[in-house]
Amino acid sequence: DIQLTQSPSFLSASVGDRVTITCRASQGISSYLAWYQQKPGKAPKLLIYAASTLQSGVPSRFSGSGSGTEFTLTISSLQPEDFATYYCQQLNSYPPWTFGQGTKVEIK
Amino acid sequence: EVQLVESGGGLVQPGGSLRLSCAASGFTFSSYSMNWVRQAPGKGLEWVSYISSSSSTIYYADSVKGRFTISRDNAKNSLYLQMNSLRAEDTAVYYCAREVRRGIVVRKWFDPWGQGTLVTVSS
Repeated sequence: DIQLTQSPSFLSASVGDRVTITCRASQGISSYLAWYQQKPGKAPKLLIYAASTLQSGVPSRFSGSGSGTEFTLTISSLQPEDFATYYCQQLNSYPPWTFGQGTKVEIK
Repeated sequence: EVQLVESGGGLVQPGGSLRLSCAASGFTFSSYSMNWVRQAPGKGLEWVSYISSSSSTIYYADSVKGRFTISRDNAKNSLYLQMNSLRAEDTAVYYCAREVRRGIVVRKWFDPWGQGTLVTVSS
C-alpha cells in the first residue's frame, strides 16, 4: 500500500503568515492527490484535487503543487478561519485510498 | 444541493453488529462510486471501504476485511455499511463520501462528505 507522510504534524502560525505543508508518497502517484481541511467536529472539506486544481468556492490563497512523490499545500496569507487540520489523500489507480496523518495549524 | 446524511451509529458491545446508512440527495447517486471513511477520537482519517456505482467492484481496508460489508441501493439513493464482530478499535466517527472522477486522464477525489455518525464499541 502507498504511504503518505505529512510534515510538519503541527505548526503554529500568525494571521497573515505564509504556510506550507508537505506530503510525501512512498511511491510515485503522478498527480492523484487531494487536500482536505477539517475543523473540529466537522467533516473534511475538499480544497484541492489533482494536486493543483482548486475546488470551486475555495479561496485563492490556497494552492497546491507537486507530482510523483512530493506535494505541497500553500496558504499564501493565513486567515483566522484557516486554523484547522489539513490532510492529503492519494487516489492512485485503485484502493486503498490512504491519507496522510494530518497537519494541525494553530494560532501563534 | 448535493448532500450526504449518515445514520445508524450508536453504542454497541464488543462482538456486536451495527448497520450504518448514508442517504444521498441532490445528484444522480447511481452514477458515482462511494466510500466509507472513519476517524477514531483524536486521530486521523482512515479509508474503510469502496463500492463502484453498479456494486460490481468492492474494496475493503485490511483492518475491516471479513467483518464489514458495504452495499448500496441505487433505487433508494442509499449506501450502507454492515459492521459485524465489532472491536473497541472500531470506535470512530464514520463518514460516507462521494468519489468524483473527471477527465480523459481520470482524476479522483472525495466530495462531498456527510456529517458523520459516531460508533462506540464498549462494554
